[in-house]
Formats: sequence, structure tokens, C-alpha cells
Amino acid sequence: AQSVTQPDIHITVSEGASLELRCNYSYGATPYLFWYVQSPGQGLQLLLKYFSGDTLVQGIKGFEAEFKRSQSSFNLRKPSVHWSDAAEYFCAVGYSSASKIIFGSGTRLSIRP
Amino acid sequence: DGGITQSPKYLFRKEGQNVTLSCEQNLNHDAMYWYRQDPGQGLRLIYYSQIVNDFQKGDIAEGYSVSREKKESFPLTVTSAQKNPTAFYLCASSIMENTEAFFGQGTRLTVV
Repeated sequence: AQSVTQPDIHITVSEGASLELRCNYSYGATPYLFWYVQSPGQGLQLLLKYFSGDTLVQGIKGFEAEFKRSQSSFNLRKPSVHWSDAAEYFCAVGYSSASKIIFGSGTRLSIRP
Repeated sequence: DGGITQSPKYLFRKEGQNVTLSCEQNLNHDAMYWYRQDPGQGLRLIYYSQIVNDFQKGDIAEGYSVSREKKESFPLTVTSAQKNPTAFYLCASSIMENTEAFFGQGTRLTVV
């Protein structure tokens, strides 16, 4: 079955440090890949997406992600985190063979002052 | 402003009562979705609709019902058959299936 795995439930990083959130998906042809962010009690906001082309994609708020087909991964990165980045982050995958987007279970990011 | 509006933001209901959550979008999107979110479980798909007057069950449709009579609207009814209805419910829409989804602000339903 198609699935998305975010292996880290909770990550804490110091303000100003770099960040990498991991995302792996089960193999599928032509995946569409997304990262979303959710603040407490709010809806989800799209950070970035990958459909095709350059495997390094830039998003909003200084985030970027790299698609690695050989590793079935789409990790999210930010070179220097800010306290306002504390939130829950969701990786999501869509497949051309399916009519829905599949979400990972999320990674909660805390920022240490 | 284009977007998705969910109402109400908070909803309290007594056990055994049906309750309907509203979702309206003015983005002219064809596809709409309902997700349920519980702590530590991410988003689980309840129902989705790709076109007016048509919808499909998601992964956890039991105890829920939907309608799609208008392109802009996709209300979700949580019935008394749903065993654990207390949750955060998110509505989303996309231009077409598999493209990026835009989310509403959610409705937190508490059943007492």
C-alpha cells in the first residue's frame, strides 16, 4: 500500500541552527510531493511542492526540500531556524494512480532559545 | 479573498446527536476533501469529492456522511454511529485530484 513515513515524531533544535526533517514514501510512479506546516489549532499551509524538474525545490519561509528518487525521500531543510518555525510539519504524497493525497503522521518541531 | 471557510471553529454536541460541519470554498476548485486529525496520527481521509454530485469514501468513512450539491460546498455530517467523534476536522480543496490542497482553519468537535 502507498504510504508516507516521517520517522521523527518530535525534534528540538536551537534557534539559528540548521534543520532537516525526514520524509520517505513508498514506491510509486510519478509521485507528487508536498510539505505542509501547521500551527496549533490551525489549518495546514503549503510550504513547497515537487511535481517534476529540478529535484531541489524552494518554498516559502526559507525552506527547501530535495527529492531523491533512489532513496524515495523528500527531506525538508532550513539553514537557520527561527522561533516562529515551531510548528507541526507534514509530508504528503500524491500519485497519478490514486485520487487522493496521502499524509505522513507529522513531525513536531520545537525551538530551543 | 479566495479561500476555504470552515464553520464553526468550535462545536460541542451531546453523544448520540448528529452534527454537520460546514465547508465552503470560493477558489473554483473541483476536488474537495475532509480529513480527521487526532494527536499523533496525522491526517486521515474521511471522504473526498472530485466533482459535483459525486464523492468517494476515504480511509475512515464509517459514521460519516457527505453531500456535494454545489461546487463550492462540501458539508460533513458526523452521525451517532461514529464511535469516537471528538477530533479536529479539516476541509481542503484542490484544482484537481493530486495537486496541492488548500486547507480551511478546521473545526474542533467535542462530543460530551
